[in-house]
Parts: sequence; C-alpha cells; structure tokens
Amino acid sequence: NAGVMQNPRHLVRRRGQEARLRCSPMKGHSHVYWYRQLPEEGLKFMVYLQKENIIDESGMPKERFSAEFPKEGPSILRIQQVVRGDSAAYFCASSKDRDVQPQHFGDGTRLSIL
Amino acid sequence: TQLLEQSPQFLSIQEGENLTVYCNSSSVFSSLQWYRQEPGEGPVLLVTVVTGGEVKKLKRLTFQFGDARKDSSLHITAAQPGDTGLYLCAGHPDPYSGGSNYKLTFGKGTLLTVNP
Repeated sequence: NAGVMQNPRHLVRRRGQEARLRCSPMKGHSHVYWYRQLPEEGLKFMVYLQKENIIDESGMPKERFSAEFPKEGPSILRIQQVVRGDSAAYFCASSKDRDVQPQHFGDGTRLSIL
Repeated sequence: TQLLEQSPQFLSIQEGENLTVYCNSSSVFSSLQWYRQEPGEGPVLLVTVVTGGEVKKLKRLTFQFGDARKDSSLHITAAQPGDTGLYLCAGHPDPYSGGSNYKLTFGKGTLLTVNP
C-alpha cells in the first residue's frame, strides 16, 4: 500500500478521550475518503473530502465525529469523547479524480477504546 | 441501499486447485473493483472493471463483470498459498439507480485459505 500513509497504525484511548487519525493521500491525489471496518462487517463509507472542502459526510455520525482536509497537511479524522463502540479499523483512501475512479487505500488505524 | 453479496464467505482449498468467488447485487454498478486484504493491512486494489461483459486477466486471476453490470466473479487458477487473504468486491452504484459515483459500496468479503 505504498502511497497512502496513515498514522498512527494503532491507537489506544480511554473512554471520553479524543482520537485523531491522520491520512496523507497518494502523490497527485486530491480526493480523500474515510471508511470504517467493524469486525464481521464490510468497509462502510464515512466521509469524502477534497482540499479544504467536505463533499459528502453522509456516512459519518453527526455527533463527536469530524473530518478535515486542509490546504496544507494531511486529512484528519477526529473523534471526540470516544466510546467503546468506536473501536474499529479506520481506513483512508485517495483517488486522482472523482467519478468512478479506483480508490487506493492506506493500511489503516486500529483504534481500541479501553 | 445498494448491497453487494459475496459468496462463499469462507473457502479453504489445497494448493493447485481452482476456485471462483462471486459478487452479486440486484443493483447496477458503474464500475466494480476487486481488492485483496491481508491481516493488519489495508485493501490492495487488484482490478477495476467498468464495461458490462468485460473480462480482465491478471496472471492466474480472471475477473469478469456481468453483462448487466450487477455481478462479478473472480476465478483463480492453480491457487498458491500466497493467494491466501480476504477478497473484497466494491462498486460505485449507478447514479441512475440512486447511487453515487464516488462512494464505494463493499461486500463483506471472501476469506480464502490456500493450504500447501
């Protein structure tokens, strides 16, 4: 998965803390997508961003979750006041263009809530 | 909601055998992608198919997109232990069917184990 870089690879938080997940897209890609993978479930779309814009956040919980993709720097998925149910693998993907484009994934951040 | 059903869910075979994995939906997809995911890693893109009836080959892997763009299959010839992994199909639902041409819908995957 060279190209899309996610960090940290593993993140442990206690209930009520904040989690920040970072994603740097492949070089030349300006479209970023976040997905969540729960045990026994497929990957689920959360949010789609372009530089400085949230295009579609329909898959993201309205409370406690936010995402950004600033002009400079990586995309950030932020989870405030984490709960046990937030434990999952969070994957970032990027594409060069938008419509019907193959998406390339990072290796994910495994979030564990104690 | 556009769903992708993958079958079988689990498959365990011996080295050298052939296998086929299926990905089916009642909805039309603008494109369909196959990924392989290994434990602790992200999905790695294997192929994208966009035209109904399209067949693509990648060494011992053959991918087919159904004529109606509602289903796809992955056939592996002479499987090797290195083929072990979770195979995921994912697609862009056709916008005319209420889908989005940027959101990927994923199946739950087929976990393949190839025994030496």
